[in-house]
This record gives sequence, C-alpha cells and structure tokens, in this order.
Amino acid sequence: EPEVTQTPSHQVTQMGQEVILRCVPISNHLYFYWYRQILGQKVEFLVSFYNNEISEKSEIFDDQFSVERPDGSNFTLKIRSTKLEDSAMYFCASSGGWGGDEQVFGPGTRLTVL
Amino acid sequence: GESVGLHLPTLSVQEGDNSIINCAYSNSASDYFIWYKQESGKGPQFIIDIRSNMDKRQGQRVTVLLNKTVKHLSLQIAATQPGDSAVYFCAEKVGFQKLVFGTGTRLLVSP
Repeated sequence: EPEVTQTPSHQVTQMGQEVILRCVPISNHLYFYWYRQILGQKVEFLVSFYNNEISEKSEIFDDQFSVERPDGSNFTLKIRSTKLEDSAMYFCASSGGWGGDEQVFGPGTRLTVL
Repeated sequence: GESVGLHLPTLSVQEGDNSIINCAYSNSASDYFIWYKQESGKGPQFIIDIRSNMDKRQGQRVTVLLNKTVKHLSLQIAATQPGDSAVYFCAEKVGFQKLVFGTGTRLLVSP
C-alpha cells in the first residue's frame, strides 16, 4: 500500500538554528500538507500546497516557515530560526490524484528545540 | 515555555464490546468529515470518512454517523479488539483542503 514517508524521524536542534523536514508524498497525489502536534495536544494545520504554490496557510505558518517541492518527489518544510515553542511532531500528508479527499499522513518527525 | 497538554476523554471497554466515540464539530459549512486513529508515536491513520450529504456510512467493523442538525459526529466500532486501543480524532474539512482536528478520545480496550 502506498505510504507517505518522512525523514528524519527525530531532529534535535539549538534555538535559532534552521531545520529542514523532509517528506516523500504518495506518488500520484497532487496536494501536500504539513501539520504539527505539540505533545499532548491536537493536530494543527500549518499549510497546504498545490501546483507548486501555497494554497492555504494557518496563522501559525509565519515568515519563519517555508515549504518547497524541490523535485518531483520531495516536499520540505523549513523553519528558518527555530524557537523553543516549535518543538512538536510535524506530520506531512498528501491527497488527491484520482481518489477523493482522504489525506494520508506520514509517521511524523519529532522536532526538539533546545 | 512548556505547553499544557489537553486532558483527553477516555473510553474504557472490554474486548468484544461495541465502542462509541463522539465528536462535536464547529463549522456548519463543513462538507467532509474524517475519523483518524493515532497510535502512540505514529501519524494519524485514516479510518472512515463521510460527506455532508450522508448521515451514515459503514466500513469494516466501523460506522460513522453524522447529525448535521446538532453538528455531531460519532464513530462506532463493533467487537472492539485490543489492537483498537489508540487515540481517535474526528476532523472536519474547512475551506478548500484544511483539516481541523478535534481534541481526541483515548480508547482503552481490556482483554
């Protein structure tokens, strides 16, 4: 069964450093997303991406965040200058193609900012 | 600073019982709803979805009921098994593609 993959599984960084979280969405999907989940809290939408541009973003997704699809398979989330409160699980998801609206989630990257 | 985690409602059942997990959603314009299962340390896993033009949809051992009048969604799991133990989230699609997740319910299944 096709799946979304994410690397790394765990990233530890110092406050103020830049991090790039990587995702490989399902190959025939057209819509890509990032969500985050702070420990013990609910999953929160960050951004959606379609046709090489952001289609929607939340108020969390400020100028410190950016997304990119650098090639035909990867989808990345960059946090330019990490803050302590960026510590969370970051989930990539994809949807679309010939299917419906189901968003398939990856296993997540745990980001720890020290 | 430290984030304060939400207190998750917990449903404890015996193996073989039927489970019902409830969810209230907020946006009356939402037209698509999904139930996700999340096991510890993993990403949300799709269980079943329903569109707003339906009030019931059945899958394998799961049924989703939608009551648009009171903006309520429920997930019924038949013959619950220990492997069903997880946190269950409802989510509604708001706008073009954004999913808004509910708080979640922890399901504990005892053998």
